[in-house]
Amino acid sequence: QKEVEQNSGPLSVPEGAIASLNCTYSDRGSQSFFWYRQYSGKSPELIMSIYSNGDKEDGRFTAQLNKASQYVSLLIRDSQPSDSATYLCAVNSGGYQKVTFGTGTKLQVIP
Amino acid sequence: KAGVTQTPRYLIKTRGQQVTLSCSPISGHRSVSWYQQTPGQGLQFLFEYFSETQRNKGNFPGRFSGRQFSNSRSEMNVSTLELGDSALYLCASSLGLSGANVLTFGAGSRLTVL
Repeated sequence: QKEVEQNSGPLSVPEGAIASLNCTYSDRGSQSFFWYRQYSGKSPELIMSIYSNGDKEDGRFTAQLNKASQYVSLLIRDSQPSDSATYLCAVNSGGYQKVTFGTGTKLQVIP
Repeated sequence: KAGVTQTPRYLIKTRGQQVTLSCSPISGHRSVSWYQQTPGQGLQFLFEYFSETQRNKGNFPGRFSGRQFSNSRSEMNVSTLELGDSALYLCASSLGLSGANVLTFGAGSRLTVL
């Protein structure tokens, strides 16, 4: 079982729709969770971090964490073509800075 | 504020050679993490350094090594290169304090092994 699992996609949504990206993780002791966005040919950049159960909103993005189910999700409201990228779920599973990434979900927003 | 700087950006090597990649973190960041990114495997954790000490290590063979200097700059070395080592090598810096800190990535070093 992979430590962090994501559906590779591609996930296609029409412009203006809500995109829902999901991630599960295996280490119950994980404390910190991140969503990174990676455009083709670029390096990953942080979108959201979440540390406690529940929802965290930042503009059009909402991260959701459910530690009991070992599940993290990212919702993108009013999706734009510029949101088309690969979204990487990342989990800190070590005592300090050992951040494990999922293989990413490719999102395509269709104009 | 300068970002994370990786050099070289591109390099081509042949099997059996070795390579050294460099990473300069954001000023004030003491942690440097290294990742290998390939299309099939995604981002895989290599190792993390903090204050010149390796704190964490991923599941890579001993051919992959690294170090960190007193100014927090880090290098990673791959010896006896294999074709499968062709990848984008990403370095990320963070404060490195207890609990996970946000990683800021450099642009990467793309290694091609022929």
